Amino acid sequence: KNQVEQSPQSLIILEGKNCTLQCNYTVSPFSNLRWYKQDTGRGPVSLTIMTFSENTKSNGRYTATLDADTKQSSLHITASQLSDSASYICVVRPKTGANNLFFGTGTRLTVIP
Amino acid sequence: TAGITQAPTSQILAAGRSMTLRCTQDMRHNAMYWYRQDLGLGLRLIHYSNTAGTTGKGEVPDGYSVSRANTDDFPLTLASAVPSQTSVYFCASSIQGDTEAFFGQGTRLTVV
Repeated sequence: KNQVEQSPQSLIILEGKNCTLQCNYTVSPFSNLRWYKQDTGRGPVSLTIMTFSENTKSNGRYTATLDADTKQSSLHITASQLSDSASYICVVRPKTGANNLFFGTGTRLTVIP
Repeated sequence: TAGITQAPTSQILAAGRSMTLRCTQDMRHNAMYWYRQDLGLGLRLIHYSNTAGTTGKGEVPDGYSVSRANTDDFPLTLASAVPSQTSVYFCASSIQGDTEAFFGQGTRLTVV
């Protein structure tokens, strides 16, 4: 069983609408959790990083939340744009084994006009 | 700045042939990584290097080898390619092992 599960697998929304992507993890103890955006044919790019003690972090129209007790994170995208169409990947780094990142399979978001 | 560059962008390779995927970074990052990304699976670590002169095995190292002769370059070699190695390969680097990883644009490899 993957230690990082994301939902939904894919999502289609209208331009201008908001959406929330979910990430549940079992990695414990963990050092930090990152959300990456991966455009088609490109490598992933980091959007946000959250440590154990942080609950919310924003980066423009992207807001990530973290509940370390329930081991859940979400990525909320506000006022979506066509350029938000991409895969969003949740990545958890454990406290031990710095090279051992756990990747979710991603949520494929499509924003349509 | 170029950041991290992979070559080639894509390649079709006959089974049994060897190939080296190239990766170069100009950020003077200590750590470098090779991942493969397959449909329905998260990125999986093949090999990593925490600093020039050292390498380590990741989650799926079999069939692959790496070297880290200097800080900038981290080539990945397939000695005898098999169809199951058809994948998209990403090279990444970070200042050190526990900081943000920066990814290359990927190499799409098809083994036939």
